Amino acid sequence: DVVLTQSPLSLPVTLGQPASISCRSSQSLVYGAGDASLSWFQQRPGQSPRRLIYKASNRDSGVPDRFSGSGSGTDFTLKISRVEAEDVGVYYCMQGTHWPPVTFGQGTRLEIK
Amino acid sequence: QVQLQESGPGLVEPSQTLSLTCTVSGDSVSTGAYYWSWIRQHPGKGLEWIGHISYSGSPYHNPSLASRLTMSVDTSKNQFSLKLRSVTAADTAVYYCAGGSDTSKIDFWGQGTLVTVSS
Repeated sequence: DVVLTQSPLSLPVTLGQPASISCRSSQSLVYGAGDASLSWFQQRPGQSPRRLIYKASNRDSGVPDRFSGSGSGTDFTLKISRVEAEDVGVYYCMQGTHWPPVTFGQGTRLEIK
Repeated sequence: QVQLQESGPGLVEPSQTLSLTCTVSGDSVSTGAYYWSWIRQHPGKGLEWIGHISYSGSPYHNPSLASRLTMSVDTSKNQFSLKLRSVTAADTAVYYCAGGSDTSKIDFWGQGTLVTVSS
């Protein structure tokens, strides 16, 4: 199975400052015409996960534009341009290229300093 | 917009069968456009994919759970379901149903339901 490694696992951030989470895959996630099935999910405390980004860089409807995704091959990044209080939670990357099964990263816990 | 809602007992005795149902609204479970998955999250831990089923294809089970798992689709009720046999305390978790297109596999989630295995 594909292993996804996230870093950091804990991310304290000052309000209004940027944040960045890395997700590295044990195999290239590129398929077909060069796309990568790499998604980012946000899980706020007490809630179910919500997808933010799909195909590495496509933002879901309703997701604030301060969230962006980038990367290709085996290295991917989720960036938050200016962290807000509502961004507190755990962020997971997930791959669907080499499935089944889908696999998740370990999660990165974002907190406000 | 597709919405999912899990239902089932919150408490299951050890060695018994855990049975959960996911009701789909906003689309048909037989549309063929989605894979229907189950994912669980042990208390304070990360996400574990249990398996998926699609209307037209064969189910796929996480090998670590495959010997105890059954997944099915009920088109008359617009639901899909999970049965996990011979449960132990290690199966205590929040169970989520989810759906996804072929592009990303997991697009949307149910709210989750906590299942505790205890006598």
